[in-house]
Amino acid sequence: AQRVTQPEKLLSVFKGAPVELKCNYSYSGSPELFWYVQYSRQRLQLLLRHISRESIKGFTADLNKGETSFHLKKPFAQEEDSAMYYCALSGSLGGGSNYKLTFGKGTLLTVNP
Amino acid sequence: GAGVSQTPSNKVTEKGKYVELRCDPISGHTALYWYRQSLGQGPEFLIYFQGTGAADDSGLPNDRFFAVRPEGSVSTLKIQRTERGDSAVYLCASSLGRSYNEQFFGPGTRLTVL
Repeated sequence: AQRVTQPEKLLSVFKGAPVELKCNYSYSGSPELFWYVQYSRQRLQLLLRHISRESIKGFTADLNKGETSFHLKKPFAQEEDSAMYYCALSGSLGGGSNYKLTFGKGTLLTVNP
Repeated sequence: GAGVSQTPSNKVTEKGKYVELRCDPISGHTALYWYRQSLGQGPEFLIYFQGTGAADDSGLPNDRFFAVRPEGSVSTLKIQRTERGDSAVYLCASSLGRSYNEQFFGPGTRLTVL
């Protein structure tokens, strides 16, 4: 079974401070990991995916297979980063079956002025 | 172009009633997904369509839930004999294909069963 754990329900930081949103996963196959973000009164949208290895809005995330983690990091948080962040996993069981996403419960990030 | 749209945005119904929730995917997207998000939880997978067929319905909680996509575009999620525990936000997403393609989410339908 696949599972995604986001241990922090709430995270509050000050503007300009570093931020790290934790994500751990459990999956026996070859996973693809994502971070989705939901800003206030907006729909869920993809922030970044590990396969792209890119930085979006200053955020990066590295897949650590040894620790089964995919933590989201940003060196200097901005007020506009305040949102709900969901880590998600899509699994491939040797058949190219990446489609359904398994989400964590989410972390609400608040960046204070 | 337009993103994924869902109607209605809110639906209030009484226990035992039947409801239909509609999803209009992005034009040209062959893959369509339904998720359910209960309060304080992340979205949970319900069903996945590739074209007109339900390729994976393993997330549907019981036989009161059913979904169709007859022409490979619009999809309808149908819930019979609604229960209070069905109250949640129902999300629809679409993508160009299945593997490694970004899923674009709709705004959701908030279902409240009284």
